[in-house]
Amino acid sequence: EAQVTQNPRYLITVTGKKLTVTCSQNMNHEYMSWYRQDPGLGLRQIYYSMNVEVTDKGDVPEGYKVSRKEKRNFPLILESPSPNQTSLYFCASSPMGWNEQYFGPGTRLTVT
Amino acid sequence: AQSVSQHNHHVILSEAASLELGCNYSYGGTVNLFWYVQYPGQHLQLLLKYFSGDPLVKGIKGFEAEFIKSKFSFNLRKPSVQWSDTAEYFCAVNRDSSASKIIFGSGTRLSIRP
Repeated sequence: EAQVTQNPRYLITVTGKKLTVTCSQNMNHEYMSWYRQDPGLGLRQIYYSMNVEVTDKGDVPEGYKVSRKEKRNFPLILESPSPNQTSLYFCASSPMGWNEQYFGPGTRLTVT
Repeated sequence: AQSVSQHNHHVILSEAASLELGCNYSYGGTVNLFWYVQYPGQHLQLLLKYFSGDPLVKGIKGFEAEFIKSKFSFNLRKPSVQWSDTAEYFCAVNRDSSASKIIFGSGTRLSIRP
C-alpha cells in the first residue's frame, strides 16, 4: 500500500532533550516536506527536500534540522526542543514538485 | 513575502446549502494553486489543483474552484454540501517553480448541520 509513515505518533518530552521524528515513504517520490500545524495558523512548511542530499528551508525552519540521505526517508530533528515547538507535525511526499502531496498521519509533540 | 489568506475561519451550513470558501494570495507572478481537505481523524488529501489552462477546475467529491488572476483568488465551491463534507479545508500556493516552497492558508473549518 502506498503510504507515508511517521514515528512516533505521539511524543511527550522535556525541554532540551534531543529528539528525531522519522518519516518514510514507499512511493519513490522525489519531494518530501515537513509541516507543523497550529490552531489558527494552518500548516507552515518547516523544511523540504527535492531529492537526496537536496534540502531547503521553508517558512519556519528555526530550531529544526533535516537530512535526506536516502530517497525514502526524511527525518526531522529537534536538537534542543522548546515548549514553542509543541505542535502537530506532518510529513508529506510528492512525485515531482508540489503536484500532489501525500501526507502522513501526523505526530503530536508536546514539549514541557 | 508570499502569503495566503483564508478569511473564513469557521463556516456552518445546513445540508444542501451551497458553499463558497475564499482564498486569496499575495504573489503577483505565475502560481500553482491547491485545495486540500482534512476530514476528522484522517490525513490531508488533495481536493483539486490548478497549474494552467481552464481557470475553472473540478476536483473530487463534487468540488470545484475558480482561479481569478485579476483578484488573486482561488475560491472553492460546491453547489450542495453533505454532512460528510464536515472537515477543515486548506488553500495552498506555490510560485511556478518546482524549487520554491509552498505556502498554506490558515484553514477553514466547515461544519455541516444534518
